[in-house]
Amino acid sequence: GAGVSQSPSNKVTEKGKDVELRCDPISGHTALYWYRQRLGQGLEFLIYFQGNSAPDKSGLPSDRFSAERTGESVSTLTIQRTQQEDSAVYLCASSSEAGGSQPQHFGDGTRLSIL
Amino acid sequence: QKEVEQNSGPLSVPEGAIASLNCTYSDRGSQSFFWYRQYSGKSPELIMFIYSNGDKEDGRFTAQLNKASQYVSLLIRDSQPSDSATYLCAVNRGYQKVTFGIGTKLQVIP
Repeated sequence: GAGVSQSPSNKVTEKGKDVELRCDPISGHTALYWYRQRLGQGLEFLIYFQGNSAPDKSGLPSDRFSAERTGESVSTLTIQRTQQEDSAVYLCASSSEAGGSQPQHFGDGTRLSIL
Repeated sequence: QKEVEQNSGPLSVPEGAIASLNCTYSDRGSQSFFWYRQYSGKSPELIMFIYSNGDKEDGRFTAQLNKASQYVSLLIRDSQPSDSATYLCAVNRGYQKVTFGIGTKLQVIP
């Protein structure tokens, strides 16, 4: 597709369950970013990929969060043993250049609700 | 001091007026600057980016960068109700690090 694609668009799950969020970046984009946005709040950086490597994992809130990227394309963000405070919109963005000098293009996000 | 600072607003302007949105940053080595617009319930979309000191114009939008004073601004001329949104400033501090401000909520009053 032409833009960044995220799935699912909405996810409702029970506390304690694991969830997996998927991001398909724009074809050819080497850099991929994950952010979290709680209701009414700003963007919270989670992790950044350059190719398949994650040079910056500083934003991951806890060891329940992990992410991987394969084939310099699709990325998955996994949250284990979900908690109610994990409820948020999870946004993925990709960029054509890994140094941060080029704009990021965002997907529509996954709205995660933990019951 | 926050890395990227924006007034959260809301900033209210009448329809047809110029809206001025400001952003300051702390790292003097910052290189690239971006403005995104985010409508309620939607994801951010790129409005403009600027790398060099001075002004950059695109339609009704003008980005202004002053590296000596460490601020970047976005001017919206002939503001329309459809411009009502939150505007995010993002700064590339180098070393692959991009930091977003909290965003300024703009309300254009018909």
